[in-house]
Amino acid sequence: GAVVSQHPSWVICKSGTSVKIECRSLDFQATTMFWYRQFPKQSLMLMATSNEGSKATYEQGVEKDKFLINHASLTLSTLTVTSAHPEDSSFYICSAASGQGLFGYTFGSGTRLTVV
Amino acid sequence: QKEVEQDPGPLSVPEGAIVSLNCTYSNSAFQYFMWYRQYSRKGPELLMYTYSSGNKEDGRFTAQVDKSSKYISLFIRDSQPSDSATYLCAMSYTGNQFYFGTGTSLTVIP
Repeated sequence: GAVVSQHPSWVICKSGTSVKIECRSLDFQATTMFWYRQFPKQSLMLMATSNEGSKATYEQGVEKDKFLINHASLTLSTLTVTSAHPEDSSFYICSAASGQGLFGYTFGSGTRLTVV
Repeated sequence: QKEVEQDPGPLSVPEGAIVSLNCTYSNSAFQYFMWYRQYSRKGPELLMYTYSSGNKEDGRFTAQVDKSSKYISLFIRDSQPSDSATYLCAMSYTGNQFYFGTGTSLTVIP
């Protein structure tokens, strides 16, 4: 089946630095990828929709200058958290659409970001 | 009010028990109703989905949607220790953008 690889699985960074998270579709081409964030005991919340070769569409309340999304190829999307602060500490997870209906949305394993 | 409400549990049951997981929602425009299973340190995987109202059965799993009550359920029969995971409900208007519940942590005790 479709596999989405997300790296790193966890990262600790200092406040003020930037962190890049990668999401790769390993055995299919994903024209659309989605980035979610989950705070403890809260729902997965969609941050942005990333389309290959075009600008990402951000959900209301998500700072596009802080969360930079690049989807330069059909198999790779990256999320860069710029000038990270402790309140950005969260679980970030990507999902890629393989075009097979609802069962075609494959999730990565997530990245636990801790900003100290 | 949250779009989707789900009791986070944790829920602990003996092996072989019937498990009932539930979510409520506020927006009557949702058409797709999904249940995901997430093991520790893994991404969610889609278990079942239902379009509009009704029931759907797949092996030991049954999904129910009651749109009049804005209530969905997932039943697991003959629960197994391997069913221990977090179960997330999710809903969608179009089948693209998903609204998730917080997830219910389930432990099946051998």
